[in-house]
Amino acid sequence: GAVVSQHPSRVICKSGTSVKIECRSLDFQATTMFWYRQFPKQSLMLMATSNEGSKATYEQGVEKDKFLINHASLTLSTLTVTSAHPEDSSFYICSATQGAFLNEQFFGPGTRLTVL
Amino acid sequence: KNEVEQSPQNLTAQEGEFITINCSYSVGISALHWLQQHPGGGIVSLFMLSSGKKKHGRLIATINIQEKHSSLHITASHPRDSAVYICAVGLIASGSRLTFGEGTQLTVNP
Repeated sequence: GAVVSQHPSRVICKSGTSVKIECRSLDFQATTMFWYRQFPKQSLMLMATSNEGSKATYEQGVEKDKFLINHASLTLSTLTVTSAHPEDSSFYICSATQGAFLNEQFFGPGTRLTVL
Repeated sequence: KNEVEQSPQNLTAQEGEFITINCSYSVGISALHWLQQHPGGGIVSLFMLSSGKKKHGRLIATINIQEKHSSLHITASHPRDSAVYICAVGLIASGSRLTFGEGTQLTVNP
């Protein structure tokens, strides 16, 4: 099956710094990538949808200037958490799909972010 | 009311038992996904269904479009099946975007 990787798997940073998380589709071209956030004991919450070559679409309540998403190629999307704060500590997961309708989403392994 | 509801929230079983996890949704969907999340956090896509039934090893997923209901069955359960199982639906109005259930925490004891 299709493989999606994320890097890093775990990151600890100081408050106020920025952190970049990469999401790569390893053996297919991902026309659309999704970024999710998951707090402990909660389900995944969609943060934004990103299509290659265009601006990401953010969900209501997600600050686009704080969570910068770049989908520069069909195999790579990045999420940058700018000026991170402890409340941004969470599990960030990306998924990728080859198409729009009825296409399976392939999930990355996730990135655990801890902001001190 | 959540658009996607799962039951039970928690399930404990003995090794070898037959397990059923249910998912109900309230609006029209394009597809339904069953996902597995292990304690480390990584998510594995188990099934994507738009109708009928699918089987993979000891896992079986069914969907009834008219009743807006899906079930995930695990036969001959094993401790390594212990994980959170998540139902997610692609709403017709949302393209590929998924709406997630709260998940079912399954613990299989040896």
